[in-house]
Parts: sequence; C-alpha cells; structure tokens
Amino acid sequence: AQSVTQLGSHVSVSEGALVLLRCNYSSSVPPYLFWYVQYPNQGLQLLLKYTSAATLVKGINGFEAEFKKSETSFHLTKPSAHMSDAAEYFCAVSNTGGFKTIFGAGTRLFVKA
Amino acid sequence: DAGVIQSPRHEVTEMGQEVTLRCKPISGHNSLFWYRQTMMRGLELLIYFNNNVPIDDSGMPEDRFSAKMPNASFSTLKIQPSEPRDSAVYFCASSPSTGVGHTIYFGEGSWLTVV
Repeated sequence: AQSVTQLGSHVSVSEGALVLLRCNYSSSVPPYLFWYVQYPNQGLQLLLKYTSAATLVKGINGFEAEFKKSETSFHLTKPSAHMSDAAEYFCAVSNTGGFKTIFGAGTRLFVKA
Repeated sequence: DAGVIQSPRHEVTEMGQEVTLRCKPISGHNSLFWYRQTMMRGLELLIYFNNNVPIDDSGMPEDRFSAKMPNASFSTLKIQPSEPRDSAVYFCASSPSTGVGHTIYFGEGSWLTVV
C-alpha cells in the first residue's frame, strides 16, 4: 500500500520568505513522487516529479524538492515566496506496483505582502 | 497543444435530475481518470480507464454514478439521479501511459451544484 501525508493544511509566509511544504510518503516499493499545484478555479498541474534519478528535483517557478529515503520525505521548497505562489499544493505518490497515483490532502499556501 | 477539455465548466441542477459530464483527453494519451474534489474529502479517484477499458471503478460512490469511454477521444461521467451531496468539482485527467511515474494532465474541472 502507498500513501502520502502532507503536514499542515495551511501555510502562511511573507513575500520573499522561504517556502517549505512538507510531505511524507509510505510505499512498499521504490516510489515515484510528485508535487502538483492548483491555482484558484483551475485543475492541477505538475510542479515537479522524482523518478529515481537525482534526489534533488528542480521544478517550475523556482520550486525544488529533495527525496530523502531515510526520512521517507519529499518536502517542497522555494527560497523566496512570490505573491503568485499562492495556491494549493498536492504531494502524490505512485509506484510500479499499480496504476494509481495517490494524492495527499493538499496544503494551501498563503503569501502575505 | 490542446489540454484535457471538459464540459460543462459549470452546472447547476435540481436534485433528481440526470447530470452528464464530458471529457476529451489529450490526443495520444491512453489513460483517462475521473476525479472528484470536495472540501471534506479532498481529491478522490472515481474511475480509471486504460485503452478505453475501465480498469478500476472502486472509487465510484454508488450505482447512481456511471462512466463510459466509447473511444479514445471521449468519455462521460453520468450521475442519475443527482443528489445535493454530489456537489463538487469533477476533474477529468489523462496520462500518456499507465500513469505510473507519468505525469497526469488535468482538465479545468466541471463545477457541479445540485440544489
């Protein structure tokens, strides 16, 4: 079985501050891990994904995430938040054991001016 | 390139009425997913098709829900009869392979309100 847990349903940061969104996963086999972003009134779109290559993955809009097997984590970071980063972020996991991609509950990011 | 296209974008209907949501996946993608998103339950996978064949419909809430994919470029999700608790955003998504390790491309959603 596989699952993801996103710590914190809401995160608020000031513009220019570090963004850190936490995700822990559970998988019995090597996982594929994803971060998706959902802007208001839109569908989800891929931010970045880990597929067993480099453990530090760079995505769009300056985001990156690091796969840490020992901690079963895949936290999303961005050095400096921008107002346009305000959105909901979903961590997701899939593996070779099945077709399903399991999404976390989401973390809503608020950016204060 | 066109993304996943869903219609209608918004629908308001009365309880008991039939609702049909439509989806055109990205050309060349052979996997199609229907998701439902609500505040209470988050994002739920309802059904998954591969090469037009339903592979897993364990997420379909009950018999009032049905989904079809008559060809590679079209799918429908039908609710009959609709109930207020069906109010949600319904997303169609497609993927170029089985979805394992592959990016899932989402449509913009169909916002359903049942009154």
